[in-house]
Amino acid sequence: DAGITQSPRHKVTETGTPVTLRCHQTENHRYMYWYRQDPGHGLRLIHYSYGVKDTDKGEVSDGYSVSRSKTEDFLLTLESATSSQTSVYFCALGEGLDTGELFFGEGSRLTVL
Amino acid sequence: GNSVTQMEGPVTLSEEAFLTINCTYTATGYPSLFWYVQYPGEGLQLLLKATKADDKGSNKGFEATYRKETTSFHLEKGSVQVSDSAVYFCATSGGSNYKLTFGKGTLLTVNP
Repeated sequence: DAGITQSPRHKVTETGTPVTLRCHQTENHRYMYWYRQDPGHGLRLIHYSYGVKDTDKGEVSDGYSVSRSKTEDFLLTLESATSSQTSVYFCALGEGLDTGELFFGEGSRLTVL
Repeated sequence: GNSVTQMEGPVTLSEEAFLTINCTYTATGYPSLFWYVQYPGEGLQLLLKATKADDKGSNKGFEATYRKETTSFHLEKGSVQVSDSAVYFCATSGGSNYKLTFGKGTLLTVNP
């Protein structure tokens, strides 16, 4: 168990509302990632962080922002949720982008009506 | 950037059948290759990996060999069990693109 907790685990919201998902780790991993999982698309990287206040975009970053003010927390924010952002969001932890071994949380299921 | 193509599912097998899930990749440089597994209602977890050509990764009876000449990393198991029912993801990292890229996943269902 990599000591990773996602919250909330389930959320239903309406179009246009802001949403923040939280990823909390107790393992002191340097790298943290947000992925979304959708049928027919597999997992796609939204944003990642390589240290406190150091973040970068992934392949599907439009409409999302992230923040990492502490080593243990990585927040994903949807400023104005849209129905296309209905998905399951996974946080992952790692020790380096080229190690490839990531530890995943249990996911947060978001439904935007 | 790197990309991964894996066979479309779903795959349905009877217990003790032989399993192959095909995976091919596109990458520059020398990527590492991985198989992750996702059991129902859970996050992904690493199943096996290979970091250079001709390496064989193995775990829990599953195997995959890094074939640079065919750019492939096919997952195999000689005798599947009901408990192997899950979604399997092939992934690549390293090389010239240092982000972990996943295939679309293959749903495996094993019937008793």
